[in-house]
Amino acid sequence: KNQVEQSPQSLIILEGKNCTLQCNYTVSPFSNLRWYKQDTGRGPVSLTIMTFSENTKSNGRYTATLDADTKQSSLHITASQLSDSASYICVVSRMDSSYKLIFGSGTRLLVRP
Amino acid sequence: ETGVTQSPTHLIKTRGQQVTLRCSSQSGHNTVSWYQQALGQGPQFIFQYYREEENGRGNFPPRFSGLQFPNYSSELNVNALELDDSALYLCAIDGYNEQFFGPGTRLTVL
Repeated sequence: KNQVEQSPQSLIILEGKNCTLQCNYTVSPFSNLRWYKQDTGRGPVSLTIMTFSENTKSNGRYTATLDADTKQSSLHITASQLSDSASYICVVSRMDSSYKLIFGSGTRLLVRP
Repeated sequence: ETGVTQSPTHLIKTRGQQVTLRCSSQSGHNTVSWYQQALGQGPQFIFQYYREEENGRGNFPPRFSGLQFPNYSSELNVNALELDDSALYLCAIDGYNEQFFGPGTRLTVL
């Protein structure tokens, strides 16, 4: 069964600290993996997208990694800011049905001053 | 800003009613997808339209239907609303190798 699982479900950190969010997937055949940031009540906004051959990609203070062998990805946030408070969703696309993205349930991050 | 707009932003309906949600983009994109996102969950794929034809469908009943117009705007129609239909409804347009989401419509069914 094609699934995307994220951990932790929620996380609270202090402003300025780093954190790492995890994503495990069982989607096959794999096409690409995306990380989205979603503010409460808003649509998701793309942070990174990685294909099978890429194992790391950065977007400012966000760095995503991908291990296609173990089917794991992580999103590392450096020097967190209050505006990083949001849900972070891992999304995997299948090679044979590009329209059907498989979403994780997200990690809800709260950054406190 | 993704350039994708949705209307209305919020909507309250009662069970059994029908609802129409709308999506448009600043520039024309010939592929639009609709998602349902329950509170605390990731979005679930409803269906996708490509050049005004349904191009794929998720595990949703026929009372969820859609339209795409020649100007690439799109509608999601839900008939016979149920309490479990309460959710954030997102539309997304296809860019190069990624999707751009609208801000969503929050539907509450009482």
